[in-house]
Amino acid sequence: DTEVTQTPKHLVMGMTNKKSLKCEQHMGHRAMYWYKQKAKKPPELMFVYSYEKLSINESVPSRFSPECPNSSLLNLHLHALQPEDSALYLCASSQEQVKNIQYFGAGTRLSVL
Amino acid sequence: GQNIDQPTEMTATEGAIVQINCTYQTSGFNGLFWYQQHAGEAPTFLSYNVLDGLEEKGRFSSFLSRSKGYSYLLLKELQMKDSASYLCAVERGYQKVTFGTGTKLQVIP
Repeated sequence: DTEVTQTPKHLVMGMTNKKSLKCEQHMGHRAMYWYKQKAKKPPELMFVYSYEKLSINESVPSRFSPECPNSSLLNLHLHALQPEDSALYLCASSQEQVKNIQYFGAGTRLSVL
Repeated sequence: GQNIDQPTEMTATEGAIVQINCTYQTSGFNGLFWYQQHAGEAPTFLSYNVLDGLEEKGRFSSFLSRSKGYSYLLLKELQMKDSASYLCAVERGYQKVTFGTGTKLQVIP
């Protein structure tokens, strides 16, 4: 099983809403990632969790708040987003010691109105 | 800054061979990945190079020259399903992966 599951698949929210994106993997991977991908652009790294601790924050605005409740789950809490935050949000996981090959979920397509 | 450049678009014929180039200038280098991404889908892993040379995996091969900051992905016996974007990605530090601009490949009959 090399599956990374993301929910919801689509999300529409207003600028005053609070919502959360969820990501789950059962491959025993200890590193999990959030990426943002705008249309026709490559994915951009946002956050990395390693052994359930935040190891990398690529200077992401505080309106995005990641959380890793356990080794299989990764959340991204959204609050007071801007229309320019509309994008595809991808979650990935990797097995730490093996080439760091990342397995991606199908993503959540977010629209901020 | 990090620069990872690829051609924006390429077109090739079914059954042919195509080479997609990637040049990079990054602060740090641990390895280079190639991913395939079909429209509206997640990237999927194709290959990984850390040492200079050619890695072959079925119809796909990837080459790396660290001294030249250069890699290419070679796709043989092209099939229509190979129409996708191909992303070069550099692991420039532990867990820090930066993706290139991506190459959209169209395979025509």
